[in-house]
Amino acid sequence: GENVEQHPSTLSVQEGDSAVIKCTYSDSASNYFPWYKQELGKRPQLIIDIRSNVGEKKDQRIAVTLNKTAKHFSLHITETQPEDSAVYFCALRSTGFQKLVFGTGTRLLVSP
Amino acid sequence: NAGVTQTPKFQVLKTGQSMTLQCAQDMNHEYMSWYRQDPGMGLRLIHYSVGAGITDQGEVPNGYNVSRSTTEDFPLRLLSAAPSQTSVYFCASSYSREEKLFFGSGTQLSVL
Repeated sequence: GENVEQHPSTLSVQEGDSAVIKCTYSDSASNYFPWYKQELGKRPQLIIDIRSNVGEKKDQRIAVTLNKTAKHFSLHITETQPEDSAVYFCALRSTGFQKLVFGTGTRLLVSP
Repeated sequence: NAGVTQTPKFQVLKTGQSMTLQCAQDMNHEYMSWYRQDPGMGLRLIHYSVGAGITDQGEVPNGYNVSRSTTEDFPLRLLSAAPSQTSVYFCASSYSREEKLFFGSGTQLSVL
């Protein structure tokens, strides 16, 4: 079945720096990889996703990269701002499975 | 369009009590799911449904029941509450299994 490991568990950066969060998985049949952001006390919200037929996707300051051979995908945030402070979750879904499995989350703190 | 509506927002139970967490969506989504969120453990899938009359177990189904009699509603029942079920519960829905999940606002449950 699906399994996803997320690192690091906490990440502190200065405003303007870049932040990278990485997730690794074991099931080669995984084909959908979304990232969710959860601000304190709020619900998780999708910020970007990628499918297995694409290696990279960008949306302004956010990008996701996928390495299917090595079975890992990463979230990249450039020019970080204090409002980027939140918990970020990676997730994945495998072909034939209806369920979305989440990583354990990364708490990102951006200091002014 | 209210999105995904969860009730109640907060609940305190005594060990052994039963209760139902309500979840309703007005987006005509086929896929609905329940997650629990615990510190350091991310979002873990309890049960999910791919349509009315169809439900299946997630990663942590023990102690919970679900049913899906209509497309709109997906209640989660705690049969006999235990302190280990103290958590924040999120209901989520999507149009299909590879579309983004919309989360409810969450229910904070404490079992004493």
